[in-house]
Amino acid sequence: EAQVTQNPRYLITVTGKKLTVTCSQNMNHEYMSWYRQDPGLGLRQIYYSMNVEVTDKGDVPEGYKVSRKEKRNFPLILESPSPNQTSLYFCASSPGVYYEQYFGPGTRLTVT
Amino acid sequence: EDKVVQSPLSLVVHEGDTVTLNCSYEVTNFRSLLWYKQEKKAPTFLFMLTSSGIEKKSGRLSSILDKKELFSILNITATQTGDSAVYLCAVPSGTYKYIFGTGTRLKVLA
Repeated sequence: EAQVTQNPRYLITVTGKKLTVTCSQNMNHEYMSWYRQDPGLGLRQIYYSMNVEVTDKGDVPEGYKVSRKEKRNFPLILESPSPNQTSLYFCASSPGVYYEQYFGPGTRLTVT
Repeated sequence: EDKVVQSPLSLVVHEGDTVTLNCSYEVTNFRSLLWYKQEKKAPTFLFMLTSSGIEKKSGRLSSILDKKELFSILNITATQTGDSAVYLCAVPSGTYKYIFGTGTRLKVLA
């Protein structure tokens, strides 16, 4: 089944404790992206990747890191999480930037 | 600066009504505009509109793209309670970013 998977689905952590949210797709898509969704602000792009080893900042990259060492995986790293990073996070992939995105199920992160 | 603006922010209608959702955009090197539906989970794809495909229809949903006036409309006829959701408009920019509007929250009352 074609899908995007994310783990964990829910995470409660404390300020400053490094964490990684994994994202994997099995559709051989070149474009992958991370978004955060906050009430009233919609989906905002954090980072995107055009292909392996090619990543770039979206609109809200501060406090996040990503890497794309393999085509299928695109982990999101929060090296020192803060409460303002409490949000719902989505990973997505697509054949290219101009096409429909396939979304993972989301990760609800709470930073206390 | 690239931007996508949706209106209205929210809408409450009764079953059977017809609704029109709006999306205006300003992006560099426009190639496509996409509509998604989001219920209590991840967004799901509805339509993609491009220069060569400015009108799409699927059942009770239809969408048009006006490239001259830089907007798109999503129409839903004979609404049902299952249409209740947030509808998102997205436009990829020439800088390879993917820009979403803030969405329109639609509630359909029985």
